[in-house]
Amino acid sequence: EIVLTQSPGTLSLSPGERATLSCRATQSISSTYLAWFQQKPGQAPRLLIYATSTRATGIPARFSGSGSGTDFTLTITRLEPEDFAMYYCQQYGYSPWTFGQGTKVEIK
Amino acid sequence: EVQLVESGGDLVQPGRSLRLSCTASGFNLDDYLMSWFRQAPGGGLEWVGFIRSKGNGGTPDYAPSVKDRFSISLDDSKSIAYLQMNTLKTEDTAVYFCARVISDWMSVADYWGQGTLVTVSS
Repeated sequence: EIVLTQSPGTLSLSPGERATLSCRATQSISSTYLAWFQQKPGQAPRLLIYATSTRATGIPARFSGSGSGTDFTLTITRLEPEDFAMYYCQQYGYSPWTFGQGTKVEIK
Repeated sequence: EVQLVESGGDLVQPGRSLRLSCTASGFNLDDYLMSWFRQAPGGGLEWVGFIRSKGNGGTPDYAPSVKDRFSISLDDSKSIAYLQMNTLKTEDTAVYFCARVISDWMSVADYWGQGTLVTVSS
C-alpha cells in the first residue's frame, strides 16, 4: 500500500498570501495518478487537481499542482477567504487507492 | 448537471448488514466507474471500493479493510449504485460518499455526493 504523508498538518496564513502544501509518497507514483481535493466542514470533497497538474472543471487558476516521483505540491498563489479548508492528496493508480492525512489551511 | 445522492445511512448494531444507495443523474452510469469512499468522524478520507460499468466488465475492487464484507453493484435501469455492507464493525462508522470516476485509465473521482452517515453501535 502506498502511504501518502502531507505536510504541514496545519498552515496558518492570511488572505492574499501564498500557500504551499506538500504530499510525499512511500513509493514512486506516475504523475497521471495524483490528485488534490478540497473539503470544507460538512461538505463532500471537491476535486481540484488531477494528473498532478490538471485543474478540474471550474477550478480557478490560482490553484496549481506540480511534482513527480514521490514528491508533489499544491500551490494556491493568493488565498481567497473561501480557500480556507482541508486539503487532501490522493493516489488512484495503485490499489488500494490512498489519501494523505490532510493539511488544514486556516486563517492566521 | 451531474448529481449524486446517497441514502440508506442508519444506526445499526455490530454484526448486522446495511445497504446504501447512490442515485445518479445527469450522466450515463454505463460510461463511468462508480466508487465509494468513507470518512470516520473527525477523520480523513478512505477509499472503500469501486465497480466498473457493465460495458467494461462490471468488475469491482475493494480496500483490504472491507474486502469480503462489502460489495458494490449497479442497477443501470435505475441509475443507482449500491454498497452492500455485511458483518459491520464499530470501526465502519463513517459518512459514506459515492463518487463518479472518470475512467479506468484516469480513475479520479470527479463528482461526489453529499454523503450518508452510518453508525455502528450496540
